[in-house]
Amino acid sequence: DAKTTQPTSMDCAEGRAANLPCNHSTISGNEYVYWYRQIHSQGPQYIIHGLKNNETNEMASLIITEDRKSSTLILPHATLRDTAVYYCIVRGDDYKLSFGAGTTVTVRA
Amino acid sequence: GAGVSQSPSNKVTEKGKDVELRCDPISGHTALYWYRQSLGQGLEFLIYFQGNSAPDKSGLPSDRFSAERTGGSVSTLTIQRTQQEDSAVYLCASRRSFGTGELFFGEGSRLTVL
Repeated sequence: DAKTTQPTSMDCAEGRAANLPCNHSTISGNEYVYWYRQIHSQGPQYIIHGLKNNETNEMASLIITEDRKSSTLILPHATLRDTAVYYCIVRGDDYKLSFGAGTTVTVRA
Repeated sequence: GAGVSQSPSNKVTEKGKDVELRCDPISGHTALYWYRQSLGQGLEFLIYFQGNSAPDKSGLPSDRFSAERTGGSVSTLTIQRTQQEDSAVYLCASRRSFGTGELFFGEGSRLTVL
């Protein structure tokens, strides 16, 4: 799997959009970008994934650059419950998901 | 049940004892994973089961670790002669089939080895 690079931490104001960047410059053509998050003392939770088109669901939006070397997860209206560690992962046909350190997002009132 | 179920949620044991951790995946999910998460760290892949295929055990840290999946459903992770460095949260996840679908994680089993 391609390696991803994420900021260690970021703060966000409650009610504002949170934009979480991820670099994956070595991504190959068949690899998807996945985002998971892990709220304290819970198992990771799937958020969204995409290949090359932008994706949106009830939780978030995923914007992937045209060259696919980076992506941004957008939480449109952050709440205190969105405080978590967010993992950006790229994965192809193999089955392993490698979780790095992720970005610790703190939403402040 | 609706989600991945793990038991026990917490286990405290003495060094040298054996422990068994259980995972009940979502019904119908053929893929099952075990991960380990030490305090403040990311997730470390341990083992992967897919249907009736031979499991990928490449992430198991030592021969004290083993896992089984009986009948393609419930899985048990066994740690023999536990050591203090085995203390961690052990997470199980399942997925519907081989492919690009999402993983569903359980809440984990927190193991503390004294």
